[in-house]
Amino acid sequence: EDQVTQSPEALRLQEGESSSLNCSYTVSGLRGLFWYRQDPGKGPEFLFTLYSAGEEKEKERLKATLTKKESFLHITAPKPEDSATYLCAVQGSGATNKLIFGTGTLLAVQP
Amino acid sequence: DGGITQSPKYLFRKEGQNVTLSCEQNLNHDAMYWYRQDPGQGLRLIYYSQIVNDFQKGDIAEGYSVSREKKESFPLTVTSAQKNPTAFYLCASRGFYGYTFGSGTRLTVV
Repeated sequence: EDQVTQSPEALRLQEGESSSLNCSYTVSGLRGLFWYRQDPGKGPEFLFTLYSAGEEKEKERLKATLTKKESFLHITAPKPEDSATYLCAVQGSGATNKLIFGTGTLLAVQP
Repeated sequence: DGGITQSPKYLFRKEGQNVTLSCEQNLNHDAMYWYRQDPGQGLRLIYYSQIVNDFQKGDIAEGYSVSREKKESFPLTVTSAQKNPTAFYLCASRGFYGYTFGSGTRLTVV
């Protein structure tokens, strides 16, 4: 069964304190791993798609990496505006093309 | 700008009442999805449609119904058979570059 586990559930950082969020997954035939940012009361906002082990993508203070079993979202020198819930999802080889989501990591960056 | 519009933003349902959540997209995407989000749980798939006039049940379809009469529209009806409908509902569409989500509808039973 396809499954996504994110850790930690919550993370509190000081402004400028770099850290990483983890997304472990099991999926039959990975077609893509997705990272989203979600602010309270809003829909998920797309950040990255990773397709194969070894791939990396960057956007401002965020960098996503992928191995055969997990993905990391590295946050470098975070700012308070980076505070949000970060969701990881995988798309397997099934016909539905549906996304399987983790429960998310709630990030709070204090000034 | 292209995107997905969900309405209303907040919806209140009385016991035994059916309610319909709207989802409209102008991205020209064929595939559309409805997800439910509850605190402490990942998004769960309710229904999906990969083409007009066709849709399939997702993982938690009981108590819900959908229609797909137009490419742009994929409304979700929460029926009285759904025993615990209070949740945040998200509509999404899938294109070549990935999935786009709407801003969500928060449904509360009163």
